[in-house]
Amino acid sequence: AQSVAQPEDQVNVAEGNPLTVKCTYSVSGNPYLFWYVQYPNRGLQFLLKYITGDNLVKGSYGFEAEFNKSQTSFHLKKPSALVSDSALYFCAVRPDSGGYNKLIFGAGTRLAVHP
Amino acid sequence: DTGVSQNPRHKITKRGQNVTFRCDPISEHNRLYWYRQTLGQGPEFLTYFQNEAQLEKSRLLSDRFSAERPKGSFSTLEIQRTEQGDSAMYLCASSKGTSGRYSTDTQYFGPGTRLTVL
Repeated sequence: AQSVAQPEDQVNVAEGNPLTVKCTYSVSGNPYLFWYVQYPNRGLQFLLKYITGDNLVKGSYGFEAEFNKSQTSFHLKKPSALVSDSALYFCAVRPDSGGYNKLIFGAGTRLAVHP
Repeated sequence: DTGVSQNPRHKITKRGQNVTFRCDPISEHNRLYWYRQTLGQGPEFLTYFQNEAQLEKSRLLSDRFSAERPKGSFSTLEIQRTEQGDSAMYLCASSKGTSGRYSTDTQYFGPGTRLTVL
């Protein structure tokens, strides 16, 4: 079965420290990978995506993500966290077979950045 | 640039009633998606339109659910005979997709409609 796992329900980090939000996936073929962020009472906002090419993808608000095919991971990173980064983060994958226009989401990771 | 809009933002209904939600995609986006998100979970795919054609439906979309996109612009999602298990956030997304299997378009989401079934 195709799935996305975000192993941490919550990540706590101090402002100014680097942050990592983990994501692993289980799909066949060469999937496309996405990160979205959700603020309270708002929809999902697109951060970045990996399609092909360089394994390090840069996105909005200083976020980046590293694709690792051998470990089937796509971890989200930021060198220096801000309190305003506190939100719910979702990793998603679009399989390249069987329903290739839908996104499969992980359960989300709540990021809390403390002053 | 106007984003995806959804109406209403909140809907409270009694079990057994019918409800309809509307989604207006980003202008010129030919693809439209509906997802459902329950508390503590990520969004789950419900259905997908390319222009006015409904091309994919999830098994989650029971017979009580119907979605339309009559002119390839806005879309409606109707739930008949609502049940308490239908309580969720219903998210709409749109994208500008090219033809072919390996389209790399990004889906942009609206703010959602929160449905509460009493």
